[in-house]
Formats: sequence, C-alpha cells, structure tokens
Amino acid sequence: VQLVESGGGVVQPGRSLRLSCAASGFIFSSYELHWLRQAPGKGLEWVSVITSDGTKKYYAESVKGRFTISRDNSLNTVYLQMNSLRAEDTAVYYCAKDFDSWGQGTLVTVSS
Amino acid sequence: QSVLTQPPSASGSPGQRVTISCSGSRSNIGGNTVSWYQQLPRTAPKLLIYNYNERPSGVPDRLSGSKSGTSASLAISGLQSDDEGFYYCASWDDSLHGVVFGGGTKLTVL
Repeated sequence: VQLVESGGGVVQPGRSLRLSCAASGFIFSSYELHWLRQAPGKGLEWVSVITSDGTKKYYAESVKGRFTISRDNSLNTVYLQMNSLRAEDTAVYYCAKDFDSWGQGTLVTVSS
Repeated sequence: QSVLTQPPSASGSPGQRVTISCSGSRSNIGGNTVSWYQQLPRTAPKLLIYNYNERPSGVPDRLSGSKSGTSASLAISGLQSDDEGFYYCASWDDSLHGVVFGGGTKLTVL
C-alpha cells in the first residue's frame, strides 16, 4: 500500500489550494479515504472522510464550508480542495486509508 | 481542547509496563471503537490498535488495548527504548459526525 500526497505549499490567507493523494497497492474503490492534519508542534486533527463510492462526505467543524473532499476511482486519487485558507490551516496534511496506511504528508503554510 | 482526553506524558523504565488512558463520552468511546497510534518525530502516525484490542500484523502482542464505559487504555508491557514517541487515541463521534482524537501522550523510556 502506498499513499503519496502532493499539492502543498505556501499560500496567502483567503486563497485556495488543492491537495491530491495518489494511491496504489490496494483496491482503491473499496475503501474510505481520510484527510487529517497536524499543525506544527500540535496533535493530530481529523479533517474529512469520503466513502468508497464518493456518495458520503463528512468534515470537521473547523473546515466545514471551506474544504471539499472528492475522489476519482478511475485515477486512484483523493483530493482536498481548500478554499478561504486561514493561518490556522497551516499544517502537514496526511491522507489515510482506513487509518492503517498513511501517506508521508504534505506541508501547507498559510501566510502573507 | 481535544474531545478525547489523554495525559500529556507517561514514562517507564525498560521492561516495565505502562498504561496510557483516553477518556471520552457516550457519543464517541462509549458507543464506537477506539484506535491507537504511535507517532515518531517527523514521521506519519502508525496504527497500533483498532477495534479496541485488535493489532495489525507486525504490531507485537506486548501492546494491548481495553475499554471500560467511556474510557479506553493502551498498555505496553516489556517497555523498550524504541517505544518512545507520541501516542494518540481516536474514535468516531456520533454527535460531531467525525473522528475525534486525543491530544496525545509523550511516552519517555527512562
């Protein structure tokens, strides 16, 4: 199993960023996929989950209305569209399959 | 402020047994499974325990999980130096419709 996040970087407050997580080594379309994050020096925070068929999505209150999770089962990829970014969204973002496999993370820094 | 409560630190000597607690409520631990993770510096978390006391392949049986009411615990026996790191508990929360984590416990092997 391999999960590889990409799309992180430095972005100004109020702007948008889209993260991608490319998966391999398992039947992608059979699993829920999660996004989580970890602010510098802080603990883990769950961000969002999408069901295997993409019909159900759940979000943490802290990102609801600003972030959107989606997936493309033909590309074995899950996405996190992040809009209206704030300084407090600065973190390493991880994707995870059933929490038993995690990517290496991608750093998002929101700063002017 | 995390929804699940963990002690900020724990410690033990090599060979000893240490327990890390995780306190929640009826909407999370009380009605859903609990998982535990270890995170070493600058690495992604690693799943240690799921469904209260199931271990993924490769996780030694000196690690065990338990639950009582709205609290859960992770026990590590035969403590080793490479057990040092941060440990997190997590559970689904029916009220928040999301996964909640504890704030993490830093385990030090003396």
